[in-house]
Amino acid sequence: QKEVEQNSGPLSVPEGAIASLNCTYSDRGSQSFFWYRQYSGKSPELIMSIYSNGDKEDGRFTAQLNKASQYVSLLIRDSQPSDSATYLCAANAGGTSYGKLTFGQGTILTVHP
Amino acid sequence: ETGVTQSPTHLIKTRGQQVTLRCSSQSGHNTVSWYQQALGQGPQFIFQYYREEENGRGNFPPRFSGLQFPNYSSELNVNALELDDSALYLCASSLAPTTQYFGPGTRLTVL
Repeated sequence: QKEVEQNSGPLSVPEGAIASLNCTYSDRGSQSFFWYRQYSGKSPELIMSIYSNGDKEDGRFTAQLNKASQYVSLLIRDSQPSDSATYLCAANAGGTSYGKLTFGQGTILTVHP
Repeated sequence: ETGVTQSPTHLIKTRGQQVTLRCSSQSGHNTVSWYQQALGQGPQFIFQYYREEENGRGNFPPRFSGLQFPNYSSELNVNALELDDSALYLCASSLAPTTQYFGPGTRLTVL
């Protein structure tokens, strides 16, 4: 069983729509969660971090965390073609694994005009 | 731009050779983590250095080794290269083992 799982997609949405990206994790000790965006041939770029249950908003992005369900999501409002990329979900475990990020395999998002 | 730099950008080696990859962390950051990203996969944690000491290691063999220097820059060394070592190697910098910011990566090809 993978520790962090994402729908690999691809997810295709029209410009201006809401894109919804989902992630589940298996380690209940995970304490913090991150969404990274990765353009083809580039390195991951941090979009959002979330540590507490509930929603966290930053501009067009909203991260949602539900620790009871071991579920993290990222909503992108008013999607733009420039949002087309691979989105990586990562969990940071606690205890002796603190500092290690465990990534999902990524979800490919395409926003078409 | 994260302020994290890596060198070289690209590298081609043959099986059995050794390679050293370098990373300079963002100013003020004392922690460097290394990840391997195969094509189409998420990054896999190799190890982390905090104040020059190894602070956690992933499921990689001992031929993957590292160093962190007093200025918090870091090296990743891989001995006896195998074809499966071909990947994008990412260095991430952070202040303590918290939010990590990635450098541009080094693309390693093993022939």
